[in-house]
Amino acid sequence: DAGVTQSPTHLIKTRGQHVTLRCSPISGHKSVSWYQQVLGQGPQFIFQYYEKEERGRGNFPDRFSARQFPNYSSELNVNALLLGDSALYLCASSQIASSGNTIYFGEGSWLTVV
Amino acid sequence: AQSVTQLDSQVPVFEEAPVELRCNYSSSVSVYLFWYVQYPNQGLQLLLKYLSGSTLVESINGFEAEFNKSQTSFHLRKPSVHISDTAEYFCAVSEGNQKVTFGTGTKLQVIP
Repeated sequence: DAGVTQSPTHLIKTRGQHVTLRCSPISGHKSVSWYQQVLGQGPQFIFQYYEKEERGRGNFPDRFSARQFPNYSSELNVNALLLGDSALYLCASSQIASSGNTIYFGEGSWLTVV
Repeated sequence: AQSVTQLDSQVPVFEEAPVELRCNYSSSVSVYLFWYVQYPNQGLQLLLKYLSGSTLVESINGFEAEFNKSQTSFHLRKPSVHISDTAEYFCAVSEGNQKVTFGTGTKLQVIP
């Protein structure tokens, strides 16, 4: 079975632009979470979606938004990009939304803002 | 609020020597604890997890971690490391939802 897949794998954007990152969860997984990993740091929680509803939000500005589609895939959108948004964006999926349920990470999308 | 502290940012160790990567957490409720490994330019892979029951948990590649509630620790150990263990290791904690809080990571460098 395919793991969590993310696209694109690498991209470069200019300050002020908008970016959309995509994630397909493992088949049968209904929960998707997004994390930002800045170079040299641990991943930071951005959003969690379960059954197309937002279940959790981290401490990120409103420029960050996400949604989950009926097929449980998800998009992360970031508006008005700043240099500090340069990071590895990780998507993770799990079968259900409860804690303790193992979450599986994708390989990530590397975003560079210049 | 939950938090995770990994005191060692880098740990060099000779091949076949033992290693311990330290992790302490802070939480006001019962927690679930995880160790993830990240190889260069890759995503995170779950190494092992503590949910409940036995406080000693093991991975398939020889790592083990022990949950110590009184010391709020979840240190990762391996009795004999290999070159292939060179990676960054993240300790993580989760409370009652799927928000996982990660530590800042420990880079394990295995020296031949």
